[in-house]
Amino acid sequence: RKEVEQDPGPFNVPEGATVAFNCTYSNSASQSFFWYRQDCRKEPKLLMSVYSSGNEDGRFTAQLNRASQYISLLIRDSKLSDSATYLCVVTGSSNTGKLIFGQGTTLQVKP
Amino acid sequence: GAVVSQHPSRVICKSGTSVKIECRSLDFQATTMFWYRQFPKQSLMLMATSNEGSKATYEQGVEKDKFLINHASLTLSTLTVTSAHPEDSSFYICSASRRLAGGYYEQYFGPGTRLTVT
Repeated sequence: RKEVEQDPGPFNVPEGATVAFNCTYSNSASQSFFWYRQDCRKEPKLLMSVYSSGNEDGRFTAQLNRASQYISLLIRDSKLSDSATYLCVVTGSSNTGKLIFGQGTTLQVKP
Repeated sequence: GAVVSQHPSRVICKSGTSVKIECRSLDFQATTMFWYRQFPKQSLMLMATSNEGSKATYEQGVEKDKFLINHASLTLSTLTVTSAHPEDSSFYICSASRRLAGGYYEQYFGPGTRLTVT
């Protein structure tokens, strides 16, 4: 079983749609959780950190369920510029900051 | 967010030569930096953890004698790909870890170095 699992997609949605990505992680000792965005041939960029039960930033809402070891990302009112790969990322059990990446979910927003 | 630079952004070298890649955290001190490699359509693969003032910790399957890592200061880590071969062609990305209040970390990535070995 992979340490972090995501549905690779692709998710093809029209502009304005709401889309949700799910992620599960296997290490119950993981402390920190993130969503990164990666555009084609670019580096990952931190989209949101998820430290408690969840948080919201504009059109983006992240939820964390520690009991189920499940993280989600909700994007409302999708824009063309949201097209990218979204990486679910968790830290390992040691306090070194080492990140464990999911394979990413590809989103394509169409006009 | 924090700024991490990486140099060079792109390099083409001949087989058998060595290539050095620099990673700098520009606006914060990073006691820990990480080096990743990413092949097309694949996720990032952690190669090694670079700790300032000590030896790097390599992931399983990564040759430490081939990928030399030096973390000489709190803002600079270097990765040297020695005796490069075409199969080393990849996108190499560094990240710098910033510790936040409460003991949490956030990682910020450099823009990556695209290495092509001919």
